[in-house]
Amino acid sequence: GAVVSQHPSWVICKSGTSVKIECRSLDFQATTMFWYRQFPKQSLMLMATSNEGSKATYEQGVEKDKFLINHASLTLSTLTVTSAHPEDSSFYICSARASGLASYNEQFFGPGTRLTVL
Amino acid sequence: RKEVEQDPGPFNVPEGATVAFNCTYSNSASQSFFWYRQDCRKEPKLLMSVYSSGNEDGRFTAQLNRASQYISLLIRDSKLSDSATYLCVVRLDTGGFKTIFGAGTRLFVKA
Repeated sequence: GAVVSQHPSWVICKSGTSVKIECRSLDFQATTMFWYRQFPKQSLMLMATSNEGSKATYEQGVEKDKFLINHASLTLSTLTVTSAHPEDSSFYICSARASGLASYNEQFFGPGTRLTVL
Repeated sequence: RKEVEQDPGPFNVPEGATVAFNCTYSNSASQSFFWYRQDCRKEPKLLMSVYSSGNEDGRFTAQLNRASQYISLLIRDSKLSDSATYLCVVRLDTGGFKTIFGAGTRLFVKA
């Protein structure tokens, strides 16, 4: 099956710093990538949807200036948490929708990035 | 009201037991339905898609009732390795590709 990687897998940072998370589709091209956030014992919440070469679409309540998303190529999307605060500590998961594959309607998930802001 | 609702559990069952999870969704425009499994501190993994005709994959059987907006998952002959959180997932394919996750039902299978 298609593989999505995320880097880093975990990060601990001080309050006020910015953190960049990379999401890569390793063996397929992703027309669309999704960024989710999951707090303990809660469901995955969609933060934003990004299409290659265009601006991301953010869900209601998600600050686009705080969570910067760049989808510069068909295999890479990045999420930058700017001026991170302890309440941003969460599990961030990306997923990708394949293009040009029989599994076009499937979503492939990355392994997630656990962010802890001190 | 949540878009996808599940009983959070936890369900504590012995090995070999049969356990059933239920899920309801509120958006009648939902077009695709899935069960995912999520292990602690890991990403969700697709367990199976759910079709109106019902479908089975080994010990797992999924059912969809569109009229009632209800989805179920039945696990037979539970194994210790089935311990995980099971996520009910619906997708809206109109006006975009949007996936909505339930909060999950926690299952503990004990020896």
